[in-house]
Amino acid sequence: QVQLVQSGAEVKKPGASVKLSCKTSETSFTKYAIHWVRQAPGQRLEWMGWINAANENTKYSQNFQGRVTMTWDTPASTAYMELSSLRSEDTAVYYCVRGSLIVVETLYVFDIWGQGTMVTVSS
Amino acid sequence: DIQMTQSPSSLSASVGDRVTITCRASQSISTYLNWYQQKPGEAPKLLIYAASNLQSGVPSRFSGSGSGTDFTLTIGSLQPEDFATYYCQQSYSTRQITFGQGTRLEIK
Repeated sequence: QVQLVQSGAEVKKPGASVKLSCKTSETSFTKYAIHWVRQAPGQRLEWMGWINAANENTKYSQNFQGRVTMTWDTPASTAYMELSSLRSEDTAVYYCVRGSLIVVETLYVFDIWGQGTMVTVSS
Repeated sequence: DIQMTQSPSSLSASVGDRVTITCRASQSISTYLNWYQQKPGEAPKLLIYAASNLQSGVPSRFSGSGSGTDFTLTIGSLQPEDFATYYCQQSYSTRQITFGQGTRLEIK
């Protein structure tokens, strides 16, 4: 069974940056995209964007444009998401999730989720 | 952005009950609608995709229907493990993927 394993919890001060990792056990990862979705306490899920592991193309949500950077490390089979200029409202659990590139209609269907990484932004 | 609104926001039900949760989109999204289940402290789990397709491994008591702006998730006969929060998600506007606010299903 394919797994997405995320890095551990982070505590950051306002204005800082955080870089999270998401390692996949998927061997055919070029057929998939890695999205990032976050969930602030008591709030709905919020999509942040995705990266194509095959060509490292990215697409970001307008809500995070300019603050988020998604990258991919092929030898490590690991996706990264860096969020800058952190503020208290960025306190949330961040999930990496898989979408399939095989059929375009399933790119935004999130079938495999990482366990989540808690990011706390506090002075 | 396409707004997704679920109703009710919470409901109480008993084991064996039939439960229906509704999701409404602010504009037509064809059948680009997915449903997820989330239990406390866990990541969401995909239940239904493209409005009515059951994800592999999901029990058949779960079903989805709808198109355009109105969608429903039905649980045919509630089991103890079904008490959780359910989210709908539209995948029509890929410029901005959005989720509903969630429906918390509690034991009566």
